[in-house]
Amino acid sequence: EVQLLESGGGLVQPGGSLRLSCAASRITFSNYSVNWVRQAPGKGLEWVSFISTSGTYKYYADSVKGRFTISRDNSKNSLYLQMDSLRAEDTAVYFCATGSIDHAFDIWGQGTMLTVSS
Amino acid sequence: SYELAQPPSVSVSPGQTVSITCSGFKLGDRYASWYQQKPGQSPVMVIHQDNKRPSGIPERFSGSNSGNTATLTISGTQAMDEADYFCQAWDRSMAVFGGGTKLTVL
Repeated sequence: EVQLLESGGGLVQPGGSLRLSCAASRITFSNYSVNWVRQAPGKGLEWVSFISTSGTYKYYADSVKGRFTISRDNSKNSLYLQMDSLRAEDTAVYFCATGSIDHAFDIWGQGTMLTVSS
Repeated sequence: SYELAQPPSVSVSPGQTVSITCSGFKLGDRYASWYQQKPGQSPVMVIHQDNKRPSGIPERFSGSNSGNTATLTISGTQAMDEADYFCQAWDRSMAVFGGGTKLTVL
């Protein structure tokens, strides 16, 4: 069974930085575009960022543009999200999700929790 | 920015048919997807490309998309279908989710 496993979440002070990781298994990771999607406690889903199969194309939500950087290492079947200048409103569970041929989010990880608080 | 609107809640009796709507400007001109999320779990895609069911999703789930509205329909609703449902579409290289609809099976 295909699996995505996020890690790297935790408690960070406002203004701090953190890097999330997403490890893929049992898929040819390099064949998939990948996204980060977050969900604040008790709230809905919010798309954060997209990266194409080779990493050439990267897109960001306006709320994180200039602060977050998405990257991938296909040799390690891994996706990353470098988060800088963190704010309280970034507090959420962060999911990685692969993109299907029509860029729907077809496989989701279990999520990793980020809390931004002093 | 592009927005997708969903009713906050919908209820249905077991065995009945329920529809959840998702509204956005010219939504019918782009693909809509739907995700089911149960408490404490990750979302699961139930419909993509407006009306396609991924492998393993029961046939009672169906979708349509035309004009400004995409619709998720669950026929013969079961208690296990009680969950939050989110619609999603892409707009100019940005993905957008609807606010979500809580489906209650009474």
